[in-house]
Amino acid sequence: DAKTTQPPSMDCAEGRAANLPCNHSTISGNEYVYWYRQIHSQGPQYIIHGLKNNETNEMASLIITEDRKSSTLILPHATLRDTAVYYCIVKPVTGTASKLTFGTGTRLQVTL
Amino acid sequence: DTEVTQTPKHLVMGMTNKKSLKCEQHMGHRAMYWYKQKAKKPPELMFVYSYEKLSINESVPSRFSPECPNSSLLNLHLHALQPEDSALYLCASSQERGKETQYFGPGTRLLVL
Repeated sequence: DAKTTQPPSMDCAEGRAANLPCNHSTISGNEYVYWYRQIHSQGPQYIIHGLKNNETNEMASLIITEDRKSSTLILPHATLRDTAVYYCIVKPVTGTASKLTFGTGTRLQVTL
Repeated sequence: DTEVTQTPKHLVMGMTNKKSLKCEQHMGHRAMYWYKQKAKKPPELMFVYSYEKLSINESVPSRFSPECPNSSLLNLHLHALQPEDSALYLCASSQERGKETQYFGPGTRLLVL
């Protein structure tokens, strides 16, 4: 699996947009970019994923660069409940069940 | 609905005990997973079941024994564990064949004394 690089921590003021970057310079053409988050002591929560195009859902937006070597997860209006560890994961589309390889993630702290 | 349930939420066991963790999903997913997460570390895959058959075992010690009795249930049987096995055990499920987003349960926090 391709590896990802994320900053270890970030701060964001409540109500502002949180932009979480991820580098995946060795990504292959058949690999998706997935984002999960894990609030303290809970199970990881799926946020969004994409292949080439930008994606948006009710939780967040995912912006993938044209060369696919990096991406940014955007939480448009961060709240205190968005404080969590955010994982960017690159995963091949295999057609079968396969593992998610979690990196160390970015710890996002949302403050008042 | 993307709910995966796990029981118990917390478990304390001695090194000679036998216990089981249970995971359940009713989303019609045919792939189920066990992950282990040590404190301050990311989750790591242990096992994958696909259509109720074990498809991936990440070289997990035999004191951990998975079981998939049907497509909705996944168990993890524990026997003769060590204190270093204390961790958060996470279950996940996904569809197969191109729709592989994994949905996680809340986990079972295990303490081995």
